[in-house]
Amino acid sequence: GNSVTQMEGPVTLSEEAFLTINCTYTATGYPSLFWYVQYPGEGLQLLLKATKADDKGSNKGFEATYRKETTSFHLEKGSVQVSDSAVYFCALRLGYDGGSQGNLIFGKGTKLSVKP
Amino acid sequence: GAVVSQHPSWVICKSGTSVKIECRSLDFQATTMFWYRQFPKQSLMLMATSNEGSKATYEQGVEKDKFLINHASLTLSTLTVTSAHPEDSSFYICSATHRGLTDTQYFGPGTRLTVL
Repeated sequence: GNSVTQMEGPVTLSEEAFLTINCTYTATGYPSLFWYVQYPGEGLQLLLKATKADDKGSNKGFEATYRKETTSFHLEKGSVQVSDSAVYFCALRLGYDGGSQGNLIFGKGTKLSVKP
Repeated sequence: GAVVSQHPSWVICKSGTSVKIECRSLDFQATTMFWYRQFPKQSLMLMATSNEGSKATYEQGVEKDKFLINHASLTLSTLTVTSAHPEDSSFYICSATHRGLTDTQYFGPGTRLTVL
């Protein structure tokens, strides 16, 4: 079946450290891939997305590249800040055919804590 | 823009009672709303998809008579958990897509339901 697997947390880093959160997926067809971020007390927000192989999504210093050959969409940031502390969710969306209406399939989330 | 609110943010109820959770799009018209359920340290699981003015589409395994969804207007969807039991205790999250921007879901902050 269709699924998303992301690295277990929590991840604790010092400010300005390099961040990688691994995400791999299993899906039929050609899904779109997303990273969502949830700050404490807030709803999930779209961080970045990629809709086809080799696309790179980027936002707020975060990047992720859609790798079809490894079925991966790892999230990276070169220098994290305390304000990046949040829970990060990797997700995929299947195509609109089959009546799925494009619903999202999420990973379990990875909690990131950045210490000053 | 594109803010989604949920009310209440948390609720405690007795077993056997019904609980209604509201999801509102505050500054846009939501043609489609999604309801998710999240267990601790688990991913978000889609429960149902609702379009304004039509019946909700439930995911396999979700009891439609237990989780009543009403999408009465372009800015409001409600989820009613009927005859709640302790196993219904969970975090319920809604999301909405903006008319014309159907590839992005905007999420509410979630509602914590505890059934005693």
